[in-house]
Amino acid sequence: GENVEQHPSTLSVQEGDSAVIKCTYSDSASNYFPWYKQELGKRPQLIIDIRSNVGEKKDQRIAVTLNKTAKHFSLHITETQPEDSAVYFCAASIGTGTASKLTFGTGTRLQVTL
Amino acid sequence: DSGVTQTPKHLITATGQRVTLRCSPRSGDLSVYWYQQSLDQGLQFLIQYYNGEERAKGNILERFSAQQFPDLHSELNLSSLELGDSALYFCASKGPNYGYTFGSGTRLTVV
Repeated sequence: GENVEQHPSTLSVQEGDSAVIKCTYSDSASNYFPWYKQELGKRPQLIIDIRSNVGEKKDQRIAVTLNKTAKHFSLHITETQPEDSAVYFCAASIGTGTASKLTFGTGTRLQVTL
Repeated sequence: DSGVTQTPKHLITATGQRVTLRCSPRSGDLSVYWYQQSLDQGLQFLIQYYNGEERAKGNILERFSAQQFPDLHSELNLSSLELGDSALYFCASKGPNYGYTFGSGTRLTVV
């Protein structure tokens, strides 16, 4: 089955700096790669996603890049703010039909310090 | 509000007991997924249902079972509970496009 590895497990940056989180996946059939932000005790919330036919996607301060050949994708957050502090999960999904599932990475705890 | 409703929000029960967690997907979504998140851990996929039928299975214990009803709500049944089953249980629903939307979760504490 699919395996998703995520690095680093913790990341501390100063406010205003950039943060980068990297993930690799094992199954070349994966075709959808979302990123979720989870605050303590709350539900994971989708912040950005990318499909396998796109190499890069940006939404304001957040961007995701995908390298299908190397089977890795990354989350980039620019101009970080204290409210960006949370746990971030990458995920990979196989299938768009009725039998797809998300496999998650192990998470990155991002702390933005003043 | 994500549109995915999970009840109850909190549940405290004793070892050996049985509980049922409930999930109502977003209007129009046919797929329901269950995930388990233990303390400071990632999200482990348990099981998926699509329009009432089981479609994918993850690391779900034999003590756990689920079903999806004709009105598309789903229930996750956990039996012979152990201390290690204490976790956040999330339900997610998915529509015809790619997006998965999570509910607020049920926090299960086994004492």
